[in-house]
Amino acid sequence: QKEVEQNSGPLSVPEGAIASLNCTYSDRVSQSFFWYRQYSGKSPELIMSIYSNGDKEDGRFTAQLNKASQYVSLLIRDSQPSDSATYLCAVNFFLSGGYNKLIFGAGTRLAVHP
Amino acid sequence: NAGVTQTPKFQVLKTGQSMTLQCAQDMNHNSMYWYRQDPGMGLRLIYYSASEGTTDKGEVPNGYNVSRLNKREFSLRLESAAPSQTSVYFCASSEDLIVRGATNEKLFFGSGTQLSVL
Repeated sequence: QKEVEQNSGPLSVPEGAIASLNCTYSDRVSQSFFWYRQYSGKSPELIMSIYSNGDKEDGRFTAQLNKASQYVSLLIRDSQPSDSATYLCAVNFFLSGGYNKLIFGAGTRLAVHP
Repeated sequence: NAGVTQTPKFQVLKTGQSMTLQCAQDMNHNSMYWYRQDPGMGLRLIYYSASEGTTDKGEVPNGYNVSRLNKREFSLRLESAAPSQTSVYFCASSEDLIVRGATNEKLFFGSGTQLSVL
């Protein structure tokens, strides 16, 4: 099992709909969770971070975290064609000796069609 | 404010050739990183530098070397390129070290280098 898993997609949604992107992570102690957006041929850009169970909203984006189920999701409301990109989930795991390990999922490609 | 600048953007090498990828940041960040991104796989950490003068191995360091020339610059060198090193390489920086303590740090990425090794 990969440490951070995402469905590769593409996830196709119509403009104006809610896009739901999911990420599961392995059974290790984790503390920080991130969503990065990556446009085709471009670099990743952080759009959301979440550290505790529940929902965190920022504009049209909502991150949801459920540590018991090892599940983090990103909801994009009122999806726009400009949201079409690959969304990378990243999880920071505790290691021994005070070190952490930031693991990225392979990403989910989102396509928003007019 | 340029952020993180990487050069070159594209490079084609023959097996066995060497090259250096350059990276510079102007955000006064302490920590810098080199990642590679391959299809179907997440970004994987090659090397990182907590501060000027220090470097450490990440998940996939074999075949690479790095230099933290000063606080701004962090270069990645391929001494003898292999086809398995065909990838997109990203340099990144953060204020503090994400792999030790600063778990909530945001990473700022450069624009990437697409490297093909024939």
